[in-house]
Amino acid sequence: DGGITQSPKYLFRKEGQNVTLSCEQNLNHDAMYWYRQDPGQGLRLIYYSQIVNDFQKGDIAEGYSVSREKKESFPLTVTSAQKNPTAFYLCASSIDQGVAFFGQGTRLTVV
Amino acid sequence: DQQVKQNSPSLSVQEGRISILNCDYTNSMFDYFLWYKKYPAEGPTFLISISSIKDKNEDGRFTVFLNKSAKHLSLHIVPSQPGDSAVYFCATKIMNTGFQKLVFGTGTRLLVSP
Repeated sequence: DGGITQSPKYLFRKEGQNVTLSCEQNLNHDAMYWYRQDPGQGLRLIYYSQIVNDFQKGDIAEGYSVSREKKESFPLTVTSAQKNPTAFYLCASSIDQGVAFFGQGTRLTVV
Repeated sequence: DQQVKQNSPSLSVQEGRISILNCDYTNSMFDYFLWYKKYPAEGPTFLISISSIKDKNEDGRFTVFLNKSAKHLSLHIVPSQPGDSAVYFCATKIMNTGFQKLVFGTGTRLLVSP
């Protein structure tokens, strides 16, 4: 079954800690994306990557970091510099710049 | 600065009736639009898209209409079913440093009652 897998589904982080969200796809897509969803808001782009070893900042990249060492994987690290990290995080992928397909999301809560 | 706007946060419709979800955009250069459907605690799923060379695209119960002069698009669901209850996002592709990124509206929550 092809798809995008995000893990974990729920994640709790203490203040001041870094945490990494996993995103893996077996669709052979070149492009991958991270979005954040907050209540009452649309999906906002954090980072995106068109190809292995290359990635670009999106609209709200501050406090986040990513890597793209493999085509299948695009992990997102939420650092302690992110002041309001509690949100629903969504990973997506697409062939070139076509329709994006999303994973099931990770809900991050700061405790 | 919302480039894609969904001004109705919610919509309630009875089963069997038509649901009409609206979306406005700010830039007449936008030329490709998508609708996504999202259930709680799940990722959005792609529903239907439309290119600016068309004014209508239909897929089963779902039809998207594009009015370029008004910078407005709408998603029609006919007939509406309870399983259609979800949040619907419209989105467009914006060119940014040689890469097209998807920009989303804030969503409209549709509730279809039996």
